[in-house]
Amino acid sequence: AQSVTQLDSQVPVFEEAPVELRCNYSSSVSVYLFWYVQYPNQGLQLLLKYLSGSTLVKGINGFEAEFNKSQTSFHLRKPSVHISDTAEYFCAVSRGRNSGNTPLVFGKGTRLSVIA
Amino acid sequence: GAVVSQHPSRVICKSGTSVKIECRSLDFQATTMFWYRQFPKQSLMLMATSNEGSKATYEQGVEKDKFLINHASLTLSTLTVTSAHPEDSSFYICSARSGGANEKLFFGSGTQLSVL
Repeated sequence: AQSVTQLDSQVPVFEEAPVELRCNYSSSVSVYLFWYVQYPNQGLQLLLKYLSGSTLVKGINGFEAEFNKSQTSFHLRKPSVHISDTAEYFCAVSRGRNSGNTPLVFGKGTRLSVIA
Repeated sequence: GAVVSQHPSRVICKSGTSVKIECRSLDFQATTMFWYRQFPKQSLMLMATSNEGSKATYEQGVEKDKFLINHASLTLSTLTVTSAHPEDSSFYICSARSGGANEKLFFGSGTQLSVL
C-alpha cells in the first residue's frame, strides 16, 4: 500500500523568501505523485503532477517539485512566495494516472503561512 | 476549468438525524466520484468510490449502512450520514473524475459536519 508523509504540519515564511514543503512517500510499485493546494473555503486545486519523464516538474503559480526516486521524495518549492500563497498544501500519490477507480492517498497537509 | 460543486459547505445537526451532502460536476460528466473524510490535522482518508449506476465500493472500516452513497446520474453523487453521532463530526470532501483522453480529478470545496 502507498503512504505519504508530509514532514511539516506548518511552515511560516516571510514574503519573497523561498520555501520548500517536504513530501516523502512509500510504495512497492511505481507511483504517480501530485501536489494540491487548498485555499480557505475552497476545494483542492492541482498544482502539479509527476507521471513520467523529467524529474523536475513545473506547476502553476511558480511552484515546482522534483521527483527523487532514490530518496522517495517529491518536495515542493517556490523561489519567492507571495501573501496569496498562504494555504494548505497536500502531497498525494496514486498507483495510476487517476484512471479507472484509482483514488489518491494524501499526506496530512502542510499549512504555509506567508508573513508580510 | 471544470468545477465540482459540493453542498452544503457547513451543516450542524442533532445527534440521531440524517444529513445529505451533494456533489455535482457542473460542466463535465463524472463516471467516478470519490468521497473523503478529513479530521483536524489529519490527511484526507478515502471513504468510498462511487460509480454511476452501480453500488459504491467502500474502504475497509467504513460502515456502508451509515454512510449511504448514491451516484444516480453522471453529474451527481450524494453522501448521506445516517443517524449521525458526534463522532461523525468531520470535514467531508468529494472529488470527481472527468473522462476522456485528458482525464483529470477535481475536488469539491468540502462540507464541515458538526453533530451536537
